Amino acid sequence: DVKVTQSSRYLVKRTGEKVFLECVQDMDHENMFWYRQDPGLGLRLIYFSYDVKMKEKGDIPEGYSVSREKKERFSLILESASTNQTSMYLCASSASDEAFFGQGTRLTVV
Amino acid sequence: AQRVTQPEKLLSVFKGAPVELKCNYSYSGSPELFWYVQYSRQRLQLLLRHISRESIKGFTADLNKGETSFHLKKPFAQEEDSAMYYCALSPHGGGFKTIFGAGTRLFVKA
Repeated sequence: DVKVTQSSRYLVKRTGEKVFLECVQDMDHENMFWYRQDPGLGLRLIYFSYDVKMKEKGDIPEGYSVSREKKERFSLILESASTNQTSMYLCASSASDEAFFGQGTRLTVV
Repeated sequence: AQRVTQPEKLLSVFKGAPVELKCNYSYSGSPELFWYVQYSRQRLQLLLRHISRESIKGFTADLNKGETSFHLKKPFAQEEDSAMYYCALSPHGGGFKTIFGAGTRLFVKA
């Protein structure tokens, strides 16, 4: 059973803080993703990675960066959190066509 | 441009009534189409994929290439079907850069 685990379920951070969202998967998947989930906008891809140390920008990368030092771990970094980054963040991994999602991290920036 | 459109943000039906969640896509090629579902307080998960042509929890979806549609249907809705449904498109053979629609919230009334 594939498991994708996000380190926090809820986070509250202050404007300007550097924020790290962590994601770990245990199925040796090559591909990992970070999405934002906002009402009325669906899931929007921020970044994805198809191998260790490899990353590609998604549709909304501005204000974010990522790190993939190990195959099982994909981190999303908000360099300087802003209130418009308040959202639900979903991590996913896949080997082929199906994406497996984490439980999500609800981030509030105040 | 690649795009997935779900025209209804909210769909409300009575228990036992038929339900159809609409999905239209635009893609220059042969994409793979999926429906994902998110029940309350659960993680987003795959419901069905068009290539398997199977019925999951009574739901079916037929890919209509002429109309570029992939509508999700169930003849008799149940209360436990209440959830958020996302239509998604993935480039043929690829697991990454899956594109999601904005989602439709289905509410099945008793």
